[in-house]
Amino acid sequence: GQQVMQIPQYQHVQEGEDFTTYCNSSTTLSNIQWYKQRPGGHPVFLIQLVKSGEVKKQKRLTFQFGEAKKNSSLHITATQTTDVGTYFCAGPGNTPLVFGKGTRLSVIA
Amino acid sequence: DSGVTQTPKHLITATGQRVTLRCSPRSGDLSVYWYQQSLDQGLQFLIQYYNGEERAKGNILERFSAQQFPDLHSELNLSSLELGDSALYFCASSVGTSGRADTQYFGPGTRLTVL
Repeated sequence: GQQVMQIPQYQHVQEGEDFTTYCNSSTTLSNIQWYKQRPGGHPVFLIQLVKSGEVKKQKRLTFQFGEAKKNSSLHITATQTTDVGTYFCAGPGNTPLVFGKGTRLSVIA
Repeated sequence: DSGVTQTPKHLITATGQRVTLRCSPRSGDLSVYWYQQSLDQGLQFLIQYYNGEERAKGNILERFSAQQFPDLHSELNLSSLELGDSALYFCASSVGTSGRADTQYFGPGTRLTVL
């Protein structure tokens, strides 16, 4: 079945450093979604990308959808302690949404 | 606050027992999804209901069952519980009209501990 893979699994950064997580699908996606789960919290929808090559920004967060619509990335500029959490990508597949295992971001102040 | 409510927040029970988790979707949402999240694991999709009907099934054990009621709330029943069933169980909801790529809104989860 379809797989959605994310790397890295864990990332520790100093506050103020940049952070990037990558998402790869085994199949072409019609769209990709990103969610954030704070420690002890629940996943919260961040954004959806639909078009090939699409780039969207939310303040310090930049989301990209690959030209082949099989990969995506989330880049955070100048991380802050409020960015701590696990970032999941998800795309439609053999279940309504197939989630990657997530990248857990720790920010050291 | 996503607008999705789940009860109870915490549940502690013994092996072999049966429990029911409850979820109320956001107002207007017709789809409800159930996920299991174990320690350091991703979100494992269990099942989806849309307007009372089962729409998609994931790796849901035969000991688990779910249903969606006419008022659109949903219940997940877990029976013959085993230690390995200890996990966070999330319910999510979506409008459910745009196919399989709806944005999903997650509830706060129910933490189940099986002793």
